[in-house]
Amino acid sequence: AQRVTQPEKLLSVFKGAPVELKCNYSYSGSPELFWYVQYSRQRLQLLLRHISRESIKGFTADLNKGETSFHLKKPFAQEEDSAMYYCALLEYGNKLVFGAGTILRVKS
Amino acid sequence: GAVVSQHPSWVICKSGTSVKIECRSLDFQATTMFWYRQFPKQSLMLMATSNEGSKATYEQGVEKDKFLINHASLTLSTLTVTSAHPEDSSFYICSAELGTDTGELFFGEGSRLTVL
Repeated sequence: AQRVTQPEKLLSVFKGAPVELKCNYSYSGSPELFWYVQYSRQRLQLLLRHISRESIKGFTADLNKGETSFHLKKPFAQEEDSAMYYCALLEYGNKLVFGAGTILRVKS
Repeated sequence: GAVVSQHPSWVICKSGTSVKIECRSLDFQATTMFWYRQFPKQSLMLMATSNEGSKATYEQGVEKDKFLINHASLTLSTLTVTSAHPEDSSFYICSAELGTDTGELFFGEGSRLTVL
């Protein structure tokens, strides 16, 4: 069973538009969730984690246990935000499980 | 920030040969490293968890005799693909965990393996 679901393979928005990358999870315990990002020709890197409750590069993500979601949001997209975004869940045994990823394309 | 280096970045080998991929944490010690496999346009699939000084923990469906993992020091883990076949061709990515049980991973740049 898929533990991390990212329903959109591709999300295309115009510069300045709001962005929401969806992520839903399935986990019986207390979840720890992350967003990782991979820019073109670069390695995967941590964007943010829910326990830190910080905003990185204008992105925020709120854990909603009722909806089992951890959507990534940014009010005004910028062209440099174009990248592949992965939602990830830290499972028992300290294993990080990734969603399928969503490509974000920000058009000028 | 923390840096993880993988080597080689790409390798081509003949079917039946073995290939070793190294993963090094350059400026921090990593008790735990992870090896992933990524197929084209797909997500990362966790292959195994590499623990320094002990045996690796393999995910279901991953052949431990096929993918040998050694984590002999706190800064180096190696993945050896033994008797490689064309179906082993893939992008292999390692990551090292900063701290213990933090989930904060730093990733290598990946290694592209092509088996002819």
